Amino acid sequence: AQTVTQSQPEMSVQEAETVTLSCTYDTSESNYYLFWYKQPPSRQMILVIRQEAYKQQNATENRFSVNFQKAAKSFSLKISDSQLGDTAMYFCAFMIGIQGAQKLVFGQGTRLTINP
Amino acid sequence: DGGITQSPKYLFRKEGQNVTLSCEQNLNHDAMYWYRQDPGQGLRLIYYSQIVNDFQKGDIAEGYSVSREKKESFPLTVTSAQKNPTAFYLCASSTGRSGSRYEQYFGPGTRLTVT
Repeated sequence: AQTVTQSQPEMSVQEAETVTLSCTYDTSESNYYLFWYKQPPSRQMILVIRQEAYKQQNATENRFSVNFQKAAKSFSLKISDSQLGDTAMYFCAFMIGIQGAQKLVFGQGTRLTINP
Repeated sequence: DGGITQSPKYLFRKEGQNVTLSCEQNLNHDAMYWYRQDPGQGLRLIYYSQIVNDFQKGDIAEGYSVSREKKESFPLTVTSAQKNPTAFYLCASSTGRSGSRYEQYFGPGTRLTVT
């Protein structure tokens, strides 16, 4: 069974600092996708960044980057120059294809607070 | 603008009543999904549909039912058999096709409270 573990229930940093959120996963699949989603207080799920497992290069999106370690099954998210608007729940998710659709398996989330 | 709509945002029902949550998308996506979110937990898959008139159970389908009569619509019915129906429900869609970026787009969610 595929599982996703986020070991940090809550984190808090000062504005402009860098913060890293941890995620590990377990799967026997060889080809899959990994995602970080952000859920602000509005509860809208917003895609932050994606990583294809077959790509060795770590994905980056502006201030957001990942450290993907396939052998260790680790997929951490780094937020640089953190901003107040980054305050949200962050979910790591693993995706596998299922009969033409795609199943997302989510971790339990990390509540990130950016303090002024 | 293309997107996913869910209505209503808040829904209140008495125990023992069935209730249907609406999900509509105008993204021309083939695949649609329903997730449930409980406090302090991630999302769990209830049902998914890859094409009209076809759907499959997810990880927690007991007490729920769905239909997919139109490509744009994927309503979820929470039946009286669902033991703990109070939760936040999220609908999502994706192209469902190989070679796509596999991103799932989410609606704004419906908060269901059953008393």
